[in-house]
Amino acid sequence: GENVEQHPSTLSVQEGDSAVIKCTYSDSASNYFPWYKQELGKRPQLIIDIRSNVGEKKDQRIAVTLNKTAKHFSLHITETQPEDSAVYFCAASDSGGSYIPTFGRGTSLIVHP
Amino acid sequence: KAGVTQTPRYLIKTRGQQVTLSCSPISGHRSVSWYQQTPGQGLQFLFEYFSETQRNKGNFPGRFSGRQFSNSRSEMNVSTLELGDSALYLCASSIYLADTQYFGPGTRLTVL
Repeated sequence: GENVEQHPSTLSVQEGDSAVIKCTYSDSASNYFPWYKQELGKRPQLIIDIRSNVGEKKDQRIAVTLNKTAKHFSLHITETQPEDSAVYFCAASDSGGSYIPTFGRGTSLIVHP
Repeated sequence: KAGVTQTPRYLIKTRGQQVTLSCSPISGHRSVSWYQQTPGQGLQFLFEYFSETQRNKGNFPGRFSGRQFSNSRSEMNVSTLELGDSALYLCASSIYLADTQYFGPGTRLTVL
């Protein structure tokens, strides 16, 4: 089955810095890669996703890049703000197959004011 | 549009009991997935329902079951509860299979 590794497990940055979270996956059939943000005590919320037919996608201060050959994808947050502090999860799934999503273990992002 | 709702939000049960959790998807969404979230194992996929049929199942014992009704609402049941079943149970809905998923607030289950 699919295996998703996410690094780092904790990331501490100063307000205004950039943050990068990386995920690798094992199943070359995976073609859908969403990222979720989960604030303490709240539900995971989709913040951005990418499908395997594109290499990069941006939405204001966040971007995701995908390298299919190397089987890794990354979340980039620029100009971080304290409200970006949360746990971020990556996931990978094969939307044309069994579509059982596999999640990374999460990255706790702390943005210091 | 109202988001995904889950009831109850909190539950306390004892070992050996059974529990039923409910999920109402976003209006128009036909797919409902269930996940278990624990600090040790992270987010793990339980099962997915679409058009009242279970389409996918994760690696959980048969004590975990679910169903979906004709209005797309879904329930999951856990029988013979164990201490290790204590977790946040999240459901997520999507318009179709393999579509973008939207999570509910979760049901926090504590097994004593």
